[in-house]
Amino acid sequence: EAGVAQSPRYKIIEKRQSVAFWCNPISGHATLYWYQQILGQGPKLLIQFQNNGVVDDSQLPKDRFSAERLKGVDSTLKIQPAKLEDSAVYLCASSSIPNQGGEKLFFGSGTQLSVL
Amino acid sequence: SQQGEEDPQALSIQEGENATMNCSYKTSINNLQWYRQNSGRGLVHLILIRSNEREKHSGRLRVTLDTSKKSSSLLITASRAADTASYFCATGSARQLTFGSGTQLTVLP
Repeated sequence: EAGVAQSPRYKIIEKRQSVAFWCNPISGHATLYWYQQILGQGPKLLIQFQNNGVVDDSQLPKDRFSAERLKGVDSTLKIQPAKLEDSAVYLCASSSIPNQGGEKLFFGSGTQLSVL
Repeated sequence: SQQGEEDPQALSIQEGENATMNCSYKTSINNLQWYRQNSGRGLVHLILIRSNEREKHSGRLRVTLDTSKKSSSLLITASRAADTASYFCATGSARQLTFGSGTQLTVLP
């Protein structure tokens, strides 16, 4: 079974530039998550999709971050414009059923973003 | 905000020794999960314990949960160099999984 695929693996940009990350979840997984992991911290949920609908985006900085999951499969996360504090690893995860606090998540390897 | 807080932040042991990590949380939960993260990689699910369970085993892993103290512990027995990683607890509530800040475990050969 193929895992969660993410690209690019690394990205370096200057502040105020824009950047996009891509995620392909495990086939058949209806729920997709984007997490932000700052160095030395645990992952923080940015947004959760159930199929192509948003379940939770309460911690997404909507003035600069956006995400979509067209057709309920692949997803993209965009930052525009980037700030220095956005430097982090962006992790995508998927699960087969809605997260009602019960099922395990499958993570991709993440995209490491450095904003200079 | 991160609900779970792991203790210690860092732990260094010799190969063959046991490693114990603790997690404390603040609000009621449905379950608690432990994940491992190798350097530069994504997180890998290790074990899940439900709120009505007190102890669970999986291979060399033993997890306990004390809901009255709002705490959990992860024990790795007979540690190996390959166990070197960061370990995170994640608390599951009605709709969300919230991760702690992690314990960095180093197993010296």
